[in-house]
Amino acid sequence: EPEVTQTPSHQVTQMGQEVILRCVPISNHLYFYWYRQILGQKVEFLVSFYNNEISEKSEIFDDQFSVERPDGSNFTLKIRSTKLEDSAMYFCASSPGLPQHFGDGTRLSIL
Amino acid sequence: GIQVEQSPPDLILQEGANSTLRCNFSDSVNNLQWFHQNPWGQLINLFYIPSGTKQNGRLSATTVATERYSLLYISSSQTTDSGVYFCAVTGGFNYGQNFVFGPGTRLSVLP
Repeated sequence: EPEVTQTPSHQVTQMGQEVILRCVPISNHLYFYWYRQILGQKVEFLVSFYNNEISEKSEIFDDQFSVERPDGSNFTLKIRSTKLEDSAMYFCASSPGLPQHFGDGTRLSIL
Repeated sequence: GIQVEQSPPDLILQEGANSTLRCNFSDSVNNLQWFHQNPWGQLINLFYIPSGTKQNGRLSATTVATERYSLLYISSSQTTDSGVYFCAVTGGFNYGQNFVFGPGTRLSVLP
């Protein structure tokens, strides 16, 4: 069964550095999402992407965040200048419409 | 936005016992999925169930959309069932297609 693939599985970064989280969605899917889960808390929506543009974003998704689909297969989340509070698990998801399929997540640790 | 509640927040079971987890939501939904988050943080999709009943082995789920709730049944629980169970919904036309997650039910199955 096709899967959503995320890399790296764990990223450790110094505060203030830029980080790029990568996702390869399922190939025939059209909708792409990023979610975040701070340790011990619930999963929160960050942004959705459709037809090469952002379709929705949450209040969390401020100017330090950006998303890109640089080619036909990858979907990336960039955090420009990381803060301690960006430490979390980041999940990518894709869907043909419904349902959503999630990757295994990238655990981001900011030092 | 749409609100999602889950109960109970914590549940401790002896191996072999049965349990029912509940998800309530505040408005009509066009997607509802149940996830199991394992100790490694992965979100495992259990059911895509905006309405009706589905079964998969020892697990089954029922969503009564008109009454705005969903139930997840776990029978003959095993220690590997431990983890956090999340319900996630997307709203109808007036809402975006991003998931709103509930706060989760933390299940511990003791040997």
